[in-house]
Amino acid sequence: NAGVTQTPKFRILKIGQSMTLQCTQDMNHNYMYWYRQDPGMGLKLIYYSVGAGITDKGEVPNGYNVSRSTTEDFPLRLELAAPSQTSVYFCASSSPQRATQFFGPGTRLTVL
Amino acid sequence: AQTVTQSQPEMSVQEAETVTLSCTYDTSESNYYLFWYKQPPSRQMILVIRQEAYKQQNATENRFSVNFQKAAKSFSLKISDSQLGDTAMYFCASGPGAGSYQLTFGKGTKLSVIP
Repeated sequence: NAGVTQTPKFRILKIGQSMTLQCTQDMNHNYMYWYRQDPGMGLKLIYYSVGAGITDKGEVPNGYNVSRSTTEDFPLRLELAAPSQTSVYFCASSSPQRATQFFGPGTRLTVL
Repeated sequence: AQTVTQSQPEMSVQEAETVTLSCTYDTSESNYYLFWYKQPPSRQMILVIRQEAYKQQNATENRFSVNFQKAAKSFSLKISDSQLGDTAMYFCASGPGAGSYQLTFGKGTKLSVIP
């Protein structure tokens, strides 16, 4: 049981490039989340999903897109990378019965 | 909307001593959860303890306990018998008790345990 896995662990992008951060969970959780953590700050919610085919914006969605075609996967897409998107990105999941979120190990993204 | 405030950016404690981390929150939800997460240098977010707001009894997990003051909207974390492995950032978070369980995080407290 791997829990929540994220790839890649690290990535450097040039301004204007695109990439997809991958997130997979094997706990059969309906709910999944993407957060970003800027230096010296707490986590802020980017997008979340309550089930396959259902997604919604969080606090800081601009510059990102998500999709949820399966229960297990919740990829985060950056279309035109900007320096302001330099951050650590965390994926998390939870079940409808329990509010506790389980986090992946994070992806450190640098945009130069 | 929910807000979470951690007023102590950094704290230190001697090994084997007790330390308390402070957290205040504001929420319009009638039912909600409160959490403490630990983030060691490895960056992994680890659940330390959680409290359901409808429960009056304070949650405990081994050396970790909370002081939940609902009327004051206060949720402090007490770490007893501090160990070197407790050195980490600690984040307080709140979330609604139903729906999507979105979490709102504080800015964190950096705790250093000194040998």
